[in-house]
Amino acid sequence: EAGVVQSPRYKIIEKKQPVAFWCNPISGHNTLYWYLQNLGQGPELLIRYENEEAVDDSQLPKDRFSAERLKGVDSTLKIQPAELGDSAVYLCASSLFGTDTQYFGPGTRLTVL
Amino acid sequence: SQQGEEDPQALSIQEGENATMNCSYKTSINNLQWYRQNSGRGLVHLILIRSNEREKHSGRLRVTLDTSKKSSSLLITASRAADTASYFCATERNGGYQKVTFGTGTKLQVIP
Repeated sequence: EAGVVQSPRYKIIEKKQPVAFWCNPISGHNTLYWYLQNLGQGPELLIRYENEEAVDDSQLPKDRFSAERLKGVDSTLKIQPAELGDSAVYLCASSLFGTDTQYFGPGTRLTVL
Repeated sequence: SQQGEEDPQALSIQEGENATMNCSYKTSINNLQWYRQNSGRGLVHLILIRSNEREKHSGRLRVTLDTSKKSSSLLITASRAADTASYFCATERNGGYQKVTFGTGTKLQVIP
């Protein structure tokens, strides 16, 4: 069974440029999460989807971050414009609805210059 | 914001020794999970313990939970070099929908 797929794995951009990350969850998983992980820290939730619905986006900086999960499968996280402080690893995870175990992708390491 | 805090922040041991990591949290929880993260990789789920459980085993892993002290410990017995990784606890808060919050992590180094 394929795991959570994320692309790209690495991205280097200049500040004020836009950037987008893509995530394909495990087949059949209704719940999808986007996390931000700074160096030496644990993941911090940005947004959580149940199917197409964003059920928790309280930590998403909505002035520059946006996300979508069309058809309740793949998801895209976008930053526009990127700032220096956005340099981090962006993790996607998925889980079966109502269960507890999250399965993580390898993450996208973003560097903003 | 981080709900849990792991202790110690870093731990270095010899192969074959046991490694113990602790997690403290602030609010009432439904369950607590431990995850492992190898350098440059995503997190991997290790074990889940529910609030009505006190101890759980999985292979070389032993997890305890003390809800009165709001703390949990992860014991890795007979450590191997491959156990070198960062370990995170994640808590699901009691009440409301399923919200999981990760701690700050313990970086374990097992020296061959």
